[in-house]
Amino acid sequence: EPEVTQTPSHQVTQMGQEVILRCVPISNHLYFYWYRQILGQKVEFLVSFYNNEISEKSEIFDDQFSVERPDGSNFTLKIRSTKLEDSAMYFCASSGGGGLENTIYFGEGSWLTVV
Amino acid sequence: GENVEQHPSTLSVQEGDSAVIKCTYSDSASNYFPWYKQELGKRPQLIIDIRSNVGEKKDQRIAVTLNKTAKHFSLHITETQPEDSAVYFCAAIFTGGGNKLTFGTGTQLKVEL
Repeated sequence: EPEVTQTPSHQVTQMGQEVILRCVPISNHLYFYWYRQILGQKVEFLVSFYNNEISEKSEIFDDQFSVERPDGSNFTLKIRSTKLEDSAMYFCASSGGGGLENTIYFGEGSWLTVV
Repeated sequence: GENVEQHPSTLSVQEGDSAVIKCTYSDSASNYFPWYKQELGKRPQLIIDIRSNVGEKKDQRIAVTLNKTAKHFSLHITETQPEDSAVYFCAAIFTGGGNKLTFGTGTQLKVEL
């Protein structure tokens, strides 16, 4: 069964450093997302991406965050200057087209620890 | 703004019993309601979903019901097994929202032997 894959699985970074989280969505999917989950809390939407542009973003997704699809397979989340409160699990997700836009599949997550 | 409320926050049942988790949503234009199961440290895994044109959907021991008038939907797990123990999240997609999933706060289900 196709899966969304993410790297790294865990990253520890110093406050103020830049972080790039990488994702390979399911190959025939058209919609891509980033969500985050602070330990013990619910999953929160960050951003959705379709047709090479952001289609929606939440208030969490401020100017420190950016997304990119640098080639036909990768989808990245960049945090420019990390803060302690950015520590969370970041999930990449994707969904297909043709009426399946809403059926969203998640990757295993990248656990980010900011120290 | 969009809001999904989920109850209970914790649920403990005996193996073989049924478990019911309930959610309410705020936007009457929502049209898709998935349920995700999340084991500790793992990804949210889609277990069942329902669209707004259907009132009930069943997949083996799992069923979901939707009441559009009351704006609530429920997950029913019958004949619970220890491997059903996990956190369950309901979610809703609000139309015009870029396929943005809004999640409930989660229910920690514990199935006891």
